[in-house]
Amino acid sequence: DIQVTQSPSSLSASVGDRVTITCRASQTIGSYLNWYQQRPGKAPKLLIYAASSLHGEVPSRLSGSGSGTHFTLTISNLQPEDFATYYCQQSYIAPYGFGPGTKLDI
Amino acid sequence: QVQLQQSGPGLVKPSETLSLTCTVSRDSIENGYYWAWIRQTPGKGLEWLGAVYYSGTTYYNPALKSRITISVDTSKNQFSLRLTSMTAADTAVYYCARQFAKISVTGTCDYWGQGTLVTVSS
Repeated sequence: DIQVTQSPSSLSASVGDRVTITCRASQTIGSYLNWYQQRPGKAPKLLIYAASSLHGEVPSRLSGSGSGTHFTLTISNLQPEDFATYYCQQSYIAPYGFGPGTKLDI
Repeated sequence: QVQLQQSGPGLVKPSETLSLTCTVSRDSIENGYYWAWIRQTPGKGLEWLGAVYYSGTTYYNPALKSRITISVDTSKNQFSLRLTSMTAADTAVYYCARQFAKISVTGTCDYWGQGTLVTVSS
C-alpha cells in the first residue's frame, strides 16, 4: 500500500494568516492527490482534487500544488471557518490511503 | 446537491455482521460514479474500505477482503456495506460516499453521508 504522511500534525494560526500543509506519498503518485477538510462531528468535505483543482465552490484562497511524492495545501487569508482538520488522500491506486491529518486551530 | 443518507445499527456484538445502507438522493446511482464506504477511527484515521459501481462491479481494501461485501440496489437507489466477524477493532464512524469513476480522478470522494458511529460490544 502507498503510505501517506502529513506535516505538521497541528498548526496554530490567526485570522488573516497564510498557512501551508505538506503531504508526502511513499511512492510517486503523479497528481493523484486530494485534500479534504473535516470539522468536528462532520463528514470530510472535498476541497481539492488532482492536486490542484478546486472542487465546487471552494474559495480561491485555498490552493494545492505538487506532483510525484510532495504536495502542499495553502490557505491564504485564514477565515474563522477554516479552523478544522485537513486530510490528504492518494487516489493513484487502491486502497486509497489518507494522511493522518493536520489540525488547524487558533 | 447530491445527498447520501446512511441507515443501520450503531451497536454490533462481537463476531456478528455489520450491515449499513446508504440511500442516494438528487442523483441516480447509475450516473457513472462508484459508491464507496470509508471508516474513521481515532487510532487508524480514515480508511477506504471499498466501492461498487452500479453494474455491481466491486473492489475492496485487501485488508478487509475476506470480510467485506458492498452491493448496490439500483431500484432503490441504494448501496450497502456488509462486514462480517466484527471485533472491537472495527469500532469506527462509517461513512458512505460518492466516488469519481473517471480514470484521472478515480478514488476521489466528492459527497459523503453523515456518518454512523458503530460500536462493537457485547
